[in-house]
Amino acid sequence: GAVVSQHPSRVICKSGTSVKIECRSLDFQATTMFWYRQFPKQSLMLMATSNEGSKATYEQGVEKDKFLINHASLTLSTLTVTSAHPEDSSFYICSAATVPPYFGPGTRLTVL
Amino acid sequence: EDKVVQSPLSLVVHEGDTVTLNCSYEVTNFRSLLWYKQEKKAPTFLFMLTSSGIEKKSGRLSSILDKKELSSILNITATQTGDSAIYLCAVELGSNYQLIWGAGTKLIIKP
Repeated sequence: GAVVSQHPSRVICKSGTSVKIECRSLDFQATTMFWYRQFPKQSLMLMATSNEGSKATYEQGVEKDKFLINHASLTLSTLTVTSAHPEDSSFYICSAATVPPYFGPGTRLTVL
Repeated sequence: EDKVVQSPLSLVVHEGDTVTLNCSYEVTNFRSLLWYKQEKKAPTFLFMLTSSGIEKKSGRLSSILDKKELSSILNITATQTGDSAIYLCAVELGSNYQLIWGAGTKLIIKP
C-alpha cells in the first residue's frame, strides 16, 4: 500500500517553543492530507485538512494560529505547533487522502 | 450529527477464543467503512467495506457490512496474544476522504 512517513517520531520540548512535524507521501502524490491528534485512551480527532497550494481547513475548536499547516508540495505537509504548552502533549498522526486512507507512523509530542 | 459507535469498548478473552467487534454508524453521506488495528503507533489498515453482505477475509480476520442495519462486524477467530490491540472503525464520508472515527474497542487476549 501507499507509504506515508512522519518525522520526528518522538519529540520532547520545553513549554513555549515551537515544534514542526513533517508528513511525507513516499511513493505517490497527495494533494490532500489530514492531521489528527490522539490523547491517551481516546480515538483519533481530526484537527485539519491540508490541501496542496491552498489554506488548510481547520476543524471547530482547533486554533489555526497555534497549529500552522503548510502543504507546499505534493509530497509534503507540515504541522507546526507554535508556543507549545503541556496540554499540547499528544500523539499527532497524519494521513493521506488515499483509498483506503493510509497513516503515517505518528509523532509523540511531550511538552515539559 | 454524523457518528460512529463501537461496542464493546473493551473485551478480554483467552487465546483461542473467537471475538466479534461491532461498529454502527449514522452518517449523512456514506462512502465506505474501514477497520484499523492500532497498537502502540498509528493505525494499520485492515479492511475497507463498501458493499453490503460481501465478507472480506484476511487470515483469521473477517468483516462484513450491513447497510440496512447501518453496521459492520469484525470477527477474529482463534485469537492470539498478538491480536491484542485497539480496533478502530471509521466511516468515510462523501468524496472528500474525511473519516468519522469510533472510540475503538480495546481487545486483550490472555495466554
